[in-house]
Amino acid sequence: GENVEQHPSTLSVQEGDSAVIKCTYSDSASNYFPWYKQELGKRPQLIIDIRSNVGEKKDQRIAVTLNKTAKHFSLHITETQPEDSAVYFCAASTGGTSYGKLTFGQGTILTVHP
Amino acid sequence: EAEVAQSPRYKITEKSQAVAFWCDPISGHATLYWYRQILGQGPELLVQFQDESVVDDSQLPKDRFSAERLKGVDSTLKIQPAELGDSAMYLCASSPPPPNTGELFFGEGSRLTVL
Repeated sequence: GENVEQHPSTLSVQEGDSAVIKCTYSDSASNYFPWYKQELGKRPQLIIDIRSNVGEKKDQRIAVTLNKTAKHFSLHITETQPEDSAVYFCAASTGGTSYGKLTFGQGTILTVHP
Repeated sequence: EAEVAQSPRYKITEKSQAVAFWCDPISGHATLYWYRQILGQGPELLVQFQDESVVDDSQLPKDRFSAERLKGVDSTLKIQPAELGDSAMYLCASSPPPPNTGELFFGEGSRLTVL
């Protein structure tokens, strides 16, 4: 089955700095890669996703890049703000009717210091 | 804004007891998922329903876990008997019918503590 590795497990940055979280996956059939943000005690929420037919996607301060050859994808957050502090999870699936059958990474605890 | 509803939010039980969790997905979402999230880890898929049918329960420990979605709407996840290692957050999620974007809508979860 699919295996998703996520690094780093914790990340501490100053407000205004950039943050980068990296994930690798094992199943070459995976073609859908979402990122979820989970604030303490709250539900995971989708913040951005990318499909295998694109190499990069951007939404305001958040961007995701995908390298299918190397089987890795990354989340980039620019101009970080204290409200970006949360646990971020990457995930992968084979899409189609299996979009929601996600294999998640272990999570990255991001702390943004004012 | 419609949300996935789950209950109870918290459950404390002793090992060997039975526990049940309930989920009501967003109206119109035919696909429903149960995930288990152990503290400090990412969610792991337990079971996927399409309407009332189980699509994938390959990761469900069937000796003690069961899940049903009898009328294709709300769903119940049961554990009997509970073991210490079952302590976790049980997350329910649903997704809209095609053409969907792939986004999962999660509930707030049911946190289980087994003593």
